Amino acid sequence: KAGVTQTPRYLIKTRGQQVTLSCSPISGHRSVSWYQQTPGQGLQFLFEYFSETQRNKGNFPGRFSGRQFSNSRSEMNVSTLELGDSALYLCASSGGVGRVTEAFFGQGTRLTVV
Amino acid sequence: GNSVTQMEGPVTLSEEAFLTINCTYTATGYPSLFWYVQYPGEGLQLLLKATKADDKGSNKGFEATYRKETTSFHLEKGSVQVSDSAVYFCAPSNDYKLSFGAGTTVTVRA
Repeated sequence: KAGVTQTPRYLIKTRGQQVTLSCSPISGHRSVSWYQQTPGQGLQFLFEYFSETQRNKGNFPGRFSGRQFSNSRSEMNVSTLELGDSALYLCASSGGVGRVTEAFFGQGTRLTVV
Repeated sequence: GNSVTQMEGPVTLSEEAFLTINCTYTATGYPSLFWYVQYPGEGLQLLLKATKADDKGSNKGFEATYRKETTSFHLEKGSVQVSDSAVYFCAPSNDYKLSFGAGTTVTVRA
């Protein structure tokens, strides 16, 4: 069974640009979550989608947005990039149904903003 | 929201030593509890979990017990190996999200 796939693995963007990251969950998983990992702030929750609906979101500015498609694949978009957006962005998938669902993480997308 | 206090690192041990990483949390409701591990250059891997009070999660020689009365979920391993060198994260989960601790870097020397 294939794991969570994130593309691209590495990105370099310039301040002010926008970027779209992609996540393909494990087959059969309907929940996708996104996290930002930085040395200063650690791992922070961005948002979670289940069956194309956002069920929860973290405390990030509106420049950060996401969506989920009918095949459960998800994208996150960051507009007007800032230097502080440089981070490892991790996607996780889970079954999403029931009280306890284990999250399986992808390798991440390393975004560098210059 | 949830918050996690995790033992500060880095922790450096010799092979076959005993490892313990303390984790306490505050959370709304009754969260499930997880330990994740991140090896150098890789994403996060689930190490173990516990879903209710007094549950013991275990995997690869690691153990942690869900202590509701002390809101703790300490990670232990009796005899570490060089291959256990990694960053370990404690994470309660509710409301469809994980709340991660700061992570504890563990280095095991041969």
